[in-house]
Amino acid sequence: DVKVTQSSRYLVKRTGEKVFLECVQDMDHENMFWYRQDPGLGLRLIYFSYDVKMKEKGDIPEGYSVSREKKERFSLILESASTNQTSMYLCASSPGRPPDTQYFGPGTRLTVL
Amino acid sequence: GENVEQHPSTLSVQEGDSAVIKCTYSDSASNYFPWYKQELGKRPQLIIDIRSNVGEKKDQRIAVTLNKTAKHFSLHITETQPEDSAVYFCAASKSNTGKLIFGQGTTLQVKP
Repeated sequence: DVKVTQSSRYLVKRTGEKVFLECVQDMDHENMFWYRQDPGLGLRLIYFSYDVKMKEKGDIPEGYSVSREKKERFSLILESASTNQTSMYLCASSPGRPPDTQYFGPGTRLTVL
Repeated sequence: GENVEQHPSTLSVQEGDSAVIKCTYSDSASNYFPWYKQELGKRPQLIIDIRSNVGEKKDQRIAVTLNKTAKHFSLHITETQPEDSAVYFCAASKSNTGKLIFGQGTTLQVKP
């Protein structure tokens, strides 16, 4: 059974703080993804990674960066948090190309004050 | 760029009725179309998917149809039950990438 875990379920940070969100998957998946989920906007892709140390921008990468030093771990970094980054952040992983099922983590509800 | 439009944004049906959610996509090279269900407070989970070499796929009470010419695909849920109440997302992808483009989501409410 695929397990994708995220470091926190709820997080409250102040404007300007550096924020780290971590995601870990235990199924040796090649691909990992970070999304943000906002009402009425669906799931929007921030960044994704096909392999260790590889990353590609998604649709809304501004204000975010990522790190993938190990295959099972994909981190999302908010360099200087802003109030408009208050959102639900979802991590996902999938086996590889061609496209296949993405398995999601439980999500992190981030509030930036 | 690539885009997926999903309608309606909310849908309310009586238990036992059918529900249909429709999506259109912009990239004609898309060839993988999954549907995810997200119950309140939970993570999205795949419920059914279809690839472009197939026009329809069924799994018990749910079915997905694909019209590649018109670039749209639909989710059909028959004999709806209260536990079908959730947010449903469609998505589209191409074979050279694992990246999914998601629709905006449909909140389905099934009234007992």
